[in-house]
Amino acid sequence: DIQMTQSPSSLSASVGDRVTITCQASQDISNYLNWYQQKPGKAPKLLIFGASNLETGVPSRFSGTGSGTDFTFTISSLQPEDIATYYCQQYDNLYTFGPGTKLEIK
Amino acid sequence: QVQLVQSGAEVKKPGASVKVSCKASGYTFISYYMHWVRQAPGQGLEWMGIINPNGGSTTYAQKFQGRVTMTRDTSTSTVYMELTSLRSDDTAVYYCAREERLWGQGTLVIVSS
Repeated sequence: DIQMTQSPSSLSASVGDRVTITCQASQDISNYLNWYQQKPGKAPKLLIFGASNLETGVPSRFSGTGSGTDFTFTISSLQPEDIATYYCQQYDNLYTFGPGTKLEIK
Repeated sequence: QVQLVQSGAEVKKPGASVKVSCKASGYTFISYYMHWVRQAPGQGLEWMGIINPNGGSTTYAQKFQGRVTMTRDTSTSTVYMELTSLRSDDTAVYYCAREERLWGQGTLVIVSS
């Protein structure tokens, strides 16, 4: 099974800050990686697919990079509505979610 | 409109089974795979398995093999997820998801004696 790790597990940032989350796969997954946003009590929402492709309707302040085993998710300028938990997910071999990163406003 | 509507919350005793439904509308049911994902209280997302509504083939996460069954009814555009031999740590919100982009509202399953 492919294992996914994320760091940090939580972070606190100010409005306007650049925020970066990393995700690492236990083996090469090429670019078969999604990023999701989940707000409390809601279903996850797809933000990025194929490691770097922005889903339709998602603000351009969200971006993703990486391939192989190491991936990065960035919010270029944090907005209050971005407070959520963010998950990476590999889909190279079945599907596995990372443990999540909880983002809070400082 | 395009949506997935799941069945209501369930309370089950340990050892029992639960069957959660997910009714699709607004699109061609057999054209999209359906995932099941669960989330225990305060925990992360856990992928359980996937069903191809066109033919009914399934693939399950190793953790759930032998305890989970995913089925579909094309006449009602509904997929089902049945989990047997329930334990307290199966308490979670269960989601269906049409590939990555369309999710149901979630179904809370509580396992408690």
